[in-house]
Amino acid sequence: EAGVTQSPTHLIKTRGQQATLRCSPISGHTSVYWYQQALGLGLQFLLWYDEGEERNRGNFPPRFSGRQFPNYSSELNVNALELEDSALYLCASSSAPGAGPAFFGQGTRLTVV
Amino acid sequence: GENVEQHPSTLSVQEGDSAVIKCTYSDSASNYFPWYKQELGKGPQLIIDIRSNVGEKKDQRIAVTLNKTAKHFSLHITETQPEDSAVYFCAASRGGSQGNLIFGKGTKLSVKP
Repeated sequence: EAGVTQSPTHLIKTRGQQATLRCSPISGHTSVYWYQQALGLGLQFLLWYDEGEERNRGNFPPRFSGRQFPNYSSELNVNALELEDSALYLCASSSAPGAGPAFFGQGTRLTVV
Repeated sequence: GENVEQHPSTLSVQEGDSAVIKCTYSDSASNYFPWYKQELGKGPQLIIDIRSNVGEKKDQRIAVTLNKTAKHFSLHITETQPEDSAVYFCAASRGGSQGNLIFGKGTKLSVKP
C-alpha cells in the first residue's frame, strides 16, 4: 500500500513568489493535515482538511491557504513568500475522525531566497 | 495556549539499555498524547498514543505513561536496538481529530552498538 506522497520533494522560490505543494493521502484516508517543520521550531500545525472542507487552522497568516480535492488529495499554497517560510512542509493523513495524523509523507523542502 | 516541553534534546544509550523521554504540557484540557518517530530523511511516524482516560499503554518494547495531575507523559523504550536511533517527538491536543497537535521540540536518540 502506498504511503502519503508529497510533491515536489524540493522547491526553490524567490521572496514574493507563490509556492504550491501537493499531497496524496493513503488510499481511503479522508483527512489531510499540513505541518511546517522549521529549523529549531519543531512541527507547527498549519491546516486540517476532511471531506473537502477546512476543519481547523493553526496560527499562520492568511497567505497560507489550501484546499482538498474530491479524491482527498490536497494542495497547500503559500503566497507572497518570505525568507522565514523556508522549512520542511509535511502532510499527514488519517482514516477516521478522532484518529489524528498518523502517517506523514516525506515532506517538501521549501527554500525561499 | 498549549505548550509542550520535551527533555532531553539528545539521548545516547548503549544497545540493550532502556531510554526514557519526558514531556510536560500546560493545557489541563489536553486529552490526546501521541508519540512520533522521525528517521533521517523521512516524515514522522506515529508509534504510540495515549488518551487521558488511561494511565499507561504498552506495545512490545515501547510504553507510554501519563500523569494527568502533574501534566506530564513519558515514552519508555526497553531493550534498545540501533534501529531505534531517530528523533522522537511528543505532542498534545484537546482532540486528536482536530489536527492541532502541539509538538515538543524533539529528542535525538542514538543507540550505540
